[in-house]
Amino acid sequence: EVQLLESGGGLVQPGGSLRLSCAASGFTFSNYAMSWVRQAPGKGLEWVSSISGSADIKYNADSVKGRFTISRDNSKNTLFLQMNGLRADDTAIYYCAKDIGPPITTDVFDIWGQGTRVTVSS
Amino acid sequence: DIQMTQSPSSLSASVGDRVTITCRASQSINSYLNWYQQKPGTAPKLLIYSTSSLRSGVPSRFSGSGSGTDFTLTISSLQPEDFATYYCQQSYSTPPVTFGQGTRLEIK
Repeated sequence: EVQLLESGGGLVQPGGSLRLSCAASGFTFSNYAMSWVRQAPGKGLEWVSSISGSADIKYNADSVKGRFTISRDNSKNTLFLQMNGLRADDTAIYYCAKDIGPPITTDVFDIWGQGTRVTVSS
Repeated sequence: DIQMTQSPSSLSASVGDRVTITCRASQSINSYLNWYQQKPGTAPKLLIYSTSSLRSGVPSRFSGSGSGTDFTLTISSLQPEDFATYYCQQSYSTPPVTFGQGTRLEIK
């Protein structure tokens, strides 16, 4: 069964850092682009960041550029999101999502994790 | 960036009704339009990709159509499990990936 399991969320003060992880199973992880999508309380979906299967291509939303870094460890089937300089408006549930591809990156997300909650507050 | 606008933002309907949700892109996105369903407290699920391709396992009462800037998601006969929030998403011009604001489908 294809599965994604996020971890690493929690309560952090403004300006602080967190590292989210997403453990993948049930598919050849290195073949697929992966993304992070977040959802603020009571709000819609917002794309955050994407990374290609080989990790040579990465994209970030303008709202997190310079603060968040996406990475992956294909030997451990794990996706990461390093979040620095956190702000109150980063408060959200963060989902990792698998691209429906390969061989190309499609930006269609066919499998989602259950999400991990990040709260930025003093 | 391409803006995605859904209408209506919320909708009340009854079991057995035919329901249509509309999504409009701020510029042409060819057929690179996808639909997701999200139930409270759960992650989104992909329903339809590339405008009209039904994801495996999704009931055939769901269908999608459109091209260019205007797209629709239709549920032919609403079932109790269909009451949820629906999001459209464009995958034509990325980054950024952009979603519509969502349409909440409620029981009348």
